[in-house]
Amino acid sequence: ETGVTQTPRHLVMGMTNKKSLKCEQHLGHNAMYWYKQSAKKPLELMFVYNFKEQTENNSVPSRFSPECPNSSHLFLHLHTLQPEDSALYLCATRGSGRGNEQFFGPGTRLTVL
Amino acid sequence: KNEVEQSPQNLTAQEGEFITINCSYSVGISALHWLQQHPGGGIVSLFMLSSGKKKHGRLIATINIQEKHSSLHITASHPRDSAVYICAVGGGSNYKLTFGKGTLLTVNP
Repeated sequence: ETGVTQTPRHLVMGMTNKKSLKCEQHLGHNAMYWYKQSAKKPLELMFVYNFKEQTENNSVPSRFSPECPNSSHLFLHLHTLQPEDSALYLCATRGSGRGNEQFFGPGTRLTVL
Repeated sequence: KNEVEQSPQNLTAQEGEFITINCSYSVGISALHWLQQHPGGGIVSLFMLSSGKKKHGRLIATINIQEKHSSLHITASHPRDSAVYICAVGGGSNYKLTFGKGTLLTVNP
């Protein structure tokens, strides 16, 4: 238990659907990250938020839209996804109190049909 | 861009064996992380180190900054150690992590 939760844990959606992934933390961390883990590929950074402001977009297609309404919540809104977007999406947080250690959520396993 | 190489990609051991997983990177970093990922996806941070050596239970992590190389050792391995072990290097203004592909460790009883 890392203190970072993600919902849903599993999601199956069609290419025309709109869905959202949610990440929640009550660790008091100021930095939040979205990562994508595809089969047989390393984890890839998608977005970084610091103090609710987006500070990094790693050339992510616009069909992925992040939102950070407050310091405890991070969303990833999904629309018109492609089958190749099927992957494990991981949220992580980082606080200044323990250096640069990142705390990961359990991930959302996304399947796009 | 930092390149992170891990070896081996797959490792099978018998319970009790000493395990070593290696990680090399190409560009100077702020810190190196060793992560553990069990089936189902959740990732746990094992170590974060920028120099020397750290030990936690049966796990030991070392780093050689000059050679840009780190090793993760597991002593007296156990089937519950079976997991994917991921090396990641961090740095930059947003403290971004660059990840290796991971090493799948299977420890048989």
